Amino acid sequence: DTGVSQDPRHKITKRGQNVTFRCDPISEHNRLYWYRQTLGQGPEFLTYFQNEAQLEKSRLLSDRFSAERPKGSFSTLEIQRTEQGDSAMYLCASSLKDGNEQFFGPGTRLTVL
Amino acid sequence: AQTVTQSQPEMSVQEAETVTLSCTYDTSESDYYLFWYKQPPSRQMILVIRQEAYKQQNATENRFSVNFQKAAKSFSLKISDSQLGDAAMYFCAQSDSNYQLIWGAGTKLIIKP
Repeated sequence: DTGVSQDPRHKITKRGQNVTFRCDPISEHNRLYWYRQTLGQGPEFLTYFQNEAQLEKSRLLSDRFSAERPKGSFSTLEIQRTEQGDSAMYLCASSLKDGNEQFFGPGTRLTVL
Repeated sequence: AQTVTQSQPEMSVQEAETVTLSCTYDTSESDYYLFWYKQPPSRQMILVIRQEAYKQQNATENRFSVNFQKAAKSFSLKISDSQLGDAAMYFCAQSDSNYQLIWGAGTKLIIKP
């Protein structure tokens, strides 16, 4: 296993368009997390899954954001009707259910023009 | 609400010398974990060191060690024999009962050759 992977690494879109990001966690990890990181700041929690169940969502996750993890493996994060304020790095991390170290992917950098 | 504060936006150190990065946190939980993550420029977040709150002994990982003061809610990172490859953003984070990470704003570490 090569670690957590994310696709695409970079995405440029126009305001109002929809975008979807994918995260593939480490295969035996039950938990998957999404974070958003803006320049010069620490990551902010968005949501997390345990297997296929989405257990918690941040208030940051407006109704334009939706995340899925349909078979408890990879996850997708979709942003509808993107706004310039959505421009950020979107990080995915995974961990074992009872583990505490989160392993991070390289992130998807979103630029909304 | 849980918070993590890193009061040093930027620190610099001469190569081979020692530097300490500060972190304070606020939580009402009795059982939690603390982490230092490193994020090199344009590269992914990697774990440097972690500390279980119930352990009194400070964690160490090679040149990295922490000074964990539970009563003061302080968790500083000491880097000994600094190397050029240590240059990065360093984030302090605390996990809650759901293993979500609450992050500080980060400290940019500059290594002077």
